[in-house]
Amino acid sequence: DAKTTQPNSMESNEEEPVHLPCNHSTISGTDYIHWYRQLPSQGPEYVIHGLTSNVNNRMASLAIAEDRKSSTLILHRATLRDAAVYYCILSSHGSSNTGKLIFGQGTTLQVKP
Amino acid sequence: SQTIHQWPATLVQPVGSPLSLECTVEGTSNPNLYWYRQAAGRGLQLLFYSVGIGQISSEVPQNLSASRPQDRQFILSSKKLLLSDSGFYLCAWTQRNTEAFFGQGTRLTVV
Repeated sequence: DAKTTQPNSMESNEEEPVHLPCNHSTISGTDYIHWYRQLPSQGPEYVIHGLTSNVNNRMASLAIAEDRKSSTLILHRATLRDAAVYYCILSSHGSSNTGKLIFGQGTTLQVKP
Repeated sequence: SQTIHQWPATLVQPVGSPLSLECTVEGTSNPNLYWYRQAAGRGLQLLFYSVGIGQISSEVPQNLSASRPQDRQFILSSKKLLLSDSGFYLCAWTQRNTEAFFGQGTRLTVV
């Protein structure tokens, strides 16, 4: 399974943009890049995912490098409720079709008021 | 709409007792199903996944087993719990190339 590398922690001020980086240099052509976040004592919550092109949704934007070896999750205006552990995950959707998500340690985002 | 049910929310079990956690999914068919465990202060570890009825893949050797008797039902079991089985257990489902949905989790404490 291809691995991802994220910083252990990041800090942001409320109402400022946040850029959460992720490196995935061993990504394969069939790997989707997924982002999830987890609040304490809750299951992970889907944020966004993409394959090659940048993606936008109501929660965030995902910027994918042209060589796909890195990506950045962008929260346009951080709020206190965005404080969570953010996981960048590669999910293979090749012939095996397991789509399994292997979680790393993630980035703990702190948002300061 | 699709939903996932996981129960119980909390469980305290003595060492050596059996375990059965159930997860059911509504609103979709032939989902991929997953069991994860999260130890205190740690990341999520994938325990089992299933791409169809009766098809179970184990990610790590352990004291647990999983079964999928119906398309939208996934069960995590143990014959004899160990202290090290304590943790936060999460069930999840996906369809191909889409987002994963997680249950609310079961916090298991083995005493």
